[in-house]
This record gives sequence, C-alpha cells and structure tokens, in this order.
Amino acid sequence: AAGVIQSPRHLIKEKRETATLKCYPIPRHDTVYWYQQGPGQDPQFLISFYEKMQSDKGSIPDRFSAQQFSDYHSELNMSSLELGDSALYFCASSLGRGTSGYNEQFFGPGTRLTVL
Amino acid sequence: AQRVTQPEKLLSVFKGAPVELKCNYSYSGSPELFWYVQYSRQRLQLLLRHISRESIKGFTADLNKGETSFHLKKPFAQEEDSAMYYCALSTDTGANSKLTFGKGITLSVRP
Repeated sequence: AAGVIQSPRHLIKEKRETATLKCYPIPRHDTVYWYQQGPGQDPQFLISFYEKMQSDKGSIPDRFSAQQFSDYHSELNMSSLELGDSALYFCASSLGRGTSGYNEQFFGPGTRLTVL
Repeated sequence: AQRVTQPEKLLSVFKGAPVELKCNYSYSGSPELFWYVQYSRQRLQLLLRHISRESIKGFTADLNKGETSFHLKKPFAQEEDSAMYYCALSTDTGANSKLTFGKGITLSVRP
C-alpha cells in the first residue's frame, strides 16, 4: 500500500540558508501534520492542514511557513536557518473529511535536516 | 496545556520476561491516548489506542484516569519487540487531531 512520502530524506544547509521540505500524503488523505524532532527529543507538533487550509498551529517559528496544495501535498518552507533547526521533520497524513473522533495518522519516514 | 511523561529512557529485558512501559499524562479533559512504535530503520506507526481496547502483538494498555496513566504491557517479551516506543495523546478530533508525544523509551529485548 502507498505510504506517506517525504523528500528529500536528508538535507544539509548552511546557516541563514533556506530549505523546502515536501510531504506527499496517502492517496485520498486530506489532512497533513508536520512534526519536528530534535536530537533526543520527542516529536513536537508544528502545523497542520485540512483541505488546503491551515487547521492548527503549534510551536512553529515565524521563519517557517507551510502550505497544502490542490493535490494535497504539503511543503514546509524554512528560512534564515539556524543551527537549532537541525532535526528530523516528520509529516503525517490522515483522513479528516466526514469523520468524527480521532483519525489515525500515518507517518512518513522523515527528512533529516542538518544545519552547519 | 497537555503533557505526556515517559519517565524511563531505556528498558532492557530478556526474552520471555514481562514488559511494562510507563506513560503518564496531564490534561484536564478527556484525551485519547496512543502508543506508537518505531522499529529500526522504519517509520513511526500506531501500535494501539485506548479507545479500541485491543491487544496488538501481545501488547495491551489500559487507561487509568485516576492515575492519569496509560502504561503499555506485554507478559512475554520477544526479540522482535525491540524498538522505540512513544506514548502520545490527542485532545481534539477530526482534522485537528494533533499529537502530543512523550520523549519515548527504547525497549531492548535480549535473547
């Protein structure tokens, strides 16, 4: 079965550069979540989208922005990168439309960002 | 704000031994609790959720609202259970079901 796809899998950037991470949800999933996991830390919720609109926002820095496109894929744009942005960035997708209660989130493999 | 606490970072047991991975949460309402597992070189995947009251791969977890706990248990550990385990909670439903994770625990099952 198709799973959540993230690209790139690894990314190395210099301080003050920009980075774009991409997430392709499972077909027919309309909700995307982004999480950041620093070294030795738990995954922290950044932002989510439902039907191409931002649905919730967590601890996402102002330097970061994200959007969900008409094909439901999502991109996380990170500018003025700092050393502390080095982390594993997970994307998860779920089906939010027409459902109530918790909808299982399916995770991608993550993008490991290293800022030098 | 909600919080999930996993007090231990590592649990090492021998094959066949019982396992209990501890998880406590803080939230004033009624959250949904989950255990996620990450095997070596694989992605995070849902192991079980309290609302379904299932047993998956021999693991069970009971939500204790009085103690605000959701400990994961298995009576006889297997080597293939070695993985990273995260306890998580969600306070919303539908398209707003973001997860709050604990810091995770590494379970190592020795032969």
